[in-house]
This record gives sequence, C-alpha cells and structure tokens, in this order.
Amino acid sequence: GEDVEQSLFLSVREGDSSVINCTYTDSSSTYLYWYKQEPGAGLQLLTYIFSNMDMKQDQRLTVLLNKKDKHLSLRIADTQTGDSAIYFCAETPLVRKLIFGQGTELSVKP
Amino acid sequence: EADIYQTPRYLVIGTGKKITLECSQTMGHDKMYWYQQDPGMELHLIHYSYGVNSTEKGDLSSESTVSRIRTEHFPLTLESARPSHTSQYLCASSPGQGSTDTQYFGPGTRLTVL
Repeated sequence: GEDVEQSLFLSVREGDSSVINCTYTDSSSTYLYWYKQEPGAGLQLLTYIFSNMDMKQDQRLTVLLNKKDKHLSLRIADTQTGDSAIYFCAETPLVRKLIFGQGTELSVKP
Repeated sequence: EADIYQTPRYLVIGTGKKITLECSQTMGHDKMYWYQQDPGMELHLIHYSYGVNSTEKGDLSSESTVSRIRTEHFPLTLESARPSHTSQYLCASSPGQGSTDTQYFGPGTRLTVL
C-alpha cells in the first residue's frame, strides 16, 4: 500500500544540524520531495531528488536517498529559529499525485 | 516563487451555509489539486483536474465539488457546510509537463463550521 512514514517531532538547538527522516513504500516513485509548512501557511517546496540520485545538496539542505531501504532524509545545517516548521516528505508513485507523510514538527531552541 | 492564490484565508461560517473556496494560479499550469489537511497534519487529496472541463475525485471522499471552467481557476464548493467540514484546505498546481511535474501550493483556507 501507499504509506509514507515520518517521526512526528524533532527538537534541536540553534546552530546544530537537524536530520529529518522519512520512509516510503513505492519503489516506482520517480521523484521524492521535501516541503516546509510554517504556521498558518501553505506548503513551500524546499527541494526534490530524482530517484536515480543518492544525494542532492542545496545550500544548507542535503537530501540523502537510500533507494534499497526506501529511506529519505533531509539534513539542515546550522539550524536557525526560522527553520522551525513542519516538514513533509512526499513520494510520487503515480504521475498524477503526491503521497505525503504525516509531517515532522521541527522545533529550534535558542 | 509560485503564483497561486487562495481566498479567503480564514472563514468561520454556520452550519447549512453554501460556501465556495477560491483558488487561482497565474502560471498557466494545466493540473490543479485540492487537499484537505486534518488536525493531525496529514494531507489528503480530495479533487484534481488535468485541464479545463476535467475534474476527478481524489483519494479521500469529500462532499465538496469542484469546477474547472478556466485554466487559472479551480474553485471548491460545499453546498451545505457542516462542522465535520472544519479543516484546512490547500490548493496546488503543477505544469503537467516535464519530468518533475512539481506541485506548488497556495497559502490555504482555514475553514471553521460552527
């Protein structure tokens, strides 16, 4: 079945690295996404990775993909209080839709 | 930066009222979507459209209806609102072409039905 799993909460101190993990189920997913949702707002696309890649880096963000284990992670370097938000991973088992995880609430303490 | 808009941002309404949530995008995207986000934060697809005059039901059953008369506009209507419809509604669009077909989201409408 289609099920994307994430841990619900993560708390880090400002300046530390944050690692948000995600497992997905469908190996046919071509792209995997990370979205960020701040309180009261919509989803903001952070980054995505093509399924034939192992890693993608974009400034403070690093995405790692282990296709064998169907495991995706998002690392945020030098986490700031402005990074506090809910982070969703999503897979695309079919072209027309995204399957989202439950979201990980990241809390950054000063 | 995605140009997709939703109005109203917040709506509090009584039971039995008819409401329409507006969603517009100026990117010329063919595909548009409506998601419902429950208090546990998970998103569920309730409607999608591949283009003008094309609408389909999503994964989560919903009493709402949608229409797609113009490419840029994808309104969602509830004929008779009930407290069970209280939720956050998120609209998204994607180009419908190209390999990624990335979805871009609007800011959402938070609906409360009393």
